Amino acid sequence: GIQVEQSPPDLILQEGANSTLRCNFSDSVNNLQWFHQNPWGQLINLFYIPSGTKQNGRLSATTVATERYSLLYISSSQTTDSGVYFCAVVFGNEKLTFGTGTRLTIIP
Amino acid sequence: ETGVTQTPRHLVMGMTNKKSLKCEQHLGHNAMYWYKQSAKKPLELMFVYSLEERVENNSVPSRFSPECPNSSHLFLHLHTLQPEDSALYLCASSQDRQGPGYTFGSGTRLTVV
Repeated sequence: GIQVEQSPPDLILQEGANSTLRCNFSDSVNNLQWFHQNPWGQLINLFYIPSGTKQNGRLSATTVATERYSLLYISSSQTTDSGVYFCAVVFGNEKLTFGTGTRLTIIP
Repeated sequence: ETGVTQTPRHLVMGMTNKKSLKCEQHLGHNAMYWYKQSAKKPLELMFVYSLEERVENNSVPSRFSPECPNSSHLFLHLHTLQPEDSALYLCASSQDRQGPGYTFGSGTRLTVV
């Protein structure tokens, strides 16, 4: 079946560090999004990025659709970056399928 | 505020109660969704509505009953729930079923006692 795998599952970093989160998917996608879920459960849409590269402040994302992966970069981490980062994809006419997430903890 | 509003934020209910979760979006989106997020599990899609018509029901027990009276509102009616139904229930909307962007509400944290 359709698979969306994220790595690493957990990441603990010191404030100010940079990080790279990875999302691998098993088939061609026509929709890929990165979300941040904060400790209160709110899912915030970070990027809609089925291909190419986008940047928004300290965050950027790159999707290489032909190689079936996407990367989320966080630079100069802050404690407010803590939470779970989800990659979610749509294959063809299928529903939005979520990965299992990367739990990021930023230590002051 | 994302443009998708869910109420209530927290709900504690007994197994014999009947309650409803409400979701509202004013983004002009045509598709709305209910997701369930349990501890240590990926988000599970429960229901999909497209242009007010239910187009997907992922084998959800009948004690969960969705309602979409118009394109801006989505309800999830709950009755005779079980403790294992305790979870975060998230509503989302998108322009159409394939996206491009899915916007989520803040969720309702449900505890069944």
